Amino acid sequence: DVKVTQSSRYLVKRTGEKVFLECVQDMDHENMFWYRQDPGLGLRLIYFSYDVKMKEKGDIPEGYSVSREKKERFSLILESASTNQTSMYLCASSPLLSGNTIYFGEGSWLTVV
Amino acid sequence: ELKVEQNPLFLSMQEGKNYTIYCNYSTTSDRLYWYRQDPGKSLESLFVLLSNGAVKQEGRLMASLDTKARLSTLHITAAVHDLSATYFCAVDWGGMTTDSWGKLQFGAGTQVVVTP
Repeated sequence: DVKVTQSSRYLVKRTGEKVFLECVQDMDHENMFWYRQDPGLGLRLIYFSYDVKMKEKGDIPEGYSVSREKKERFSLILESASTNQTSMYLCASSPLLSGNTIYFGEGSWLTVV
Repeated sequence: ELKVEQNPLFLSMQEGKNYTIYCNYSTTSDRLYWYRQDPGKSLESLFVLLSNGAVKQEGRLMASLDTKARLSTLHITAAVHDLSATYFCAVDWGGMTTDSWGKLQFGAGTQVVVTP
């Protein structure tokens, strides 16, 4: 089975802290994505990556950055956390070719106080 | 800007009856996904629809795609309690090259509650 693992399920951080959310997939997928999920808004794409060291902005990249140094790992970084970044963050991965299922991790619940 | 609208946003179902969730989107795409999410859990893939007229079925769920109408439907037959969850549709707004697929615009979700 495909597994997308997010290292932290629940985090509480203070305003202004630097926050790292880690995601690892074990199926050699080329594509990896970070979404945030908020009630009534569905999921919104923050960043995505099609290859190592490659990244592209999604719909809501402001306040975030990403890192992909290895194919299996995609990190989301909040440079200076703010309360409006309190949310659930979902990592996803998929093979390069379209038509394949996009697999999601379990999610990381981040609260910024 | 691509907009994806699901309706209804909340659906109270009676066991044994049939229901439909609608997903309208505002731009051309022939790649649409349906997901299920249980409370506090991640998203589980239900269907991937890749062409006009695509129809897929799994158990009591059937999804279809009409790219000309920019509409997908998720039909639930003879609802049972286990189908209580939130259902999302998502449209792939990436380009046509193979390195640009997979960028999804999600609807707001339809919360389904099935009661006896």
